[in-house]
Amino acid sequence: DTAVSQTPKYLVTQMGNDKSIKCEQNLGHDTMYWYKQDSKKFLKIMFSYNNKELIINETVPNRFSPKSPDKAHLNLHINSLELGDSAVYFCASSRSGTGTWGGSPLHFGNGTRLTVT
Amino acid sequence: GNSVTQMEGPVTLSEEAFLTINCTYTATGYPSLFWYVQYPGEGLQLLLKATKADDKGSNKGFEATYRKETTSFHLEKGSVQVSDSAVYFCALSSQGAQKLVFGQGTRLTINP
Repeated sequence: DTAVSQTPKYLVTQMGNDKSIKCEQNLGHDTMYWYKQDSKKFLKIMFSYNNKELIINETVPNRFSPKSPDKAHLNLHINSLELGDSAVYFCASSRSGTGTWGGSPLHFGNGTRLTVT
Repeated sequence: GNSVTQMEGPVTLSEEAFLTINCTYTATGYPSLFWYVQYPGEGLQLLLKATKADDKGSNKGFEATYRKETTSFHLEKGSVQVSDSAVYFCALSSQGAQKLVFGQGTRLTINP
């Protein structure tokens, strides 16, 4: 069984469109994340939710809106897509409590490659 | 703020060579340190971790020791294989942060 699953795997769309990426985890974790990986493989956190509550919101344009209907799901909606949004987006989850500082690893999905033309 | 710096890639080695990928960090307090590996077309997977000074993390023949005096967490393997070809990320998590901060990644290619 896949622990963290994202859909779709590939997303090609035109500038100005609105799109969503879905993420689900079956690990029973309380904390979920969205990371963005650029073309140089650099990974940067975008959002983090703990038990459906937003706890991290890095400097991300407000065109990006995460939604967590329950602690097993964290979706990412992007409005008015721009060329610079092209990247690979990774969903991840971890156990809360002392969390990653306590050594709890992040479990990543396989990523969604978004291409904006 | 917290940050992680890895050696510039790409790194290309022959099979059975010795591998070192350098990683240094800047953080307040006592962070936990991680190495992740990303194979082509996949997400990141935890390779090893260390949560306190002088801890050694190890997995699949890879090792890294948490050195607080040099703020380093270098990744080593004694004899690499073609299947080790991937991108390797060093990362840290500081107390209360509930997130990982990643280095820029180092692409490793092993030739037969």
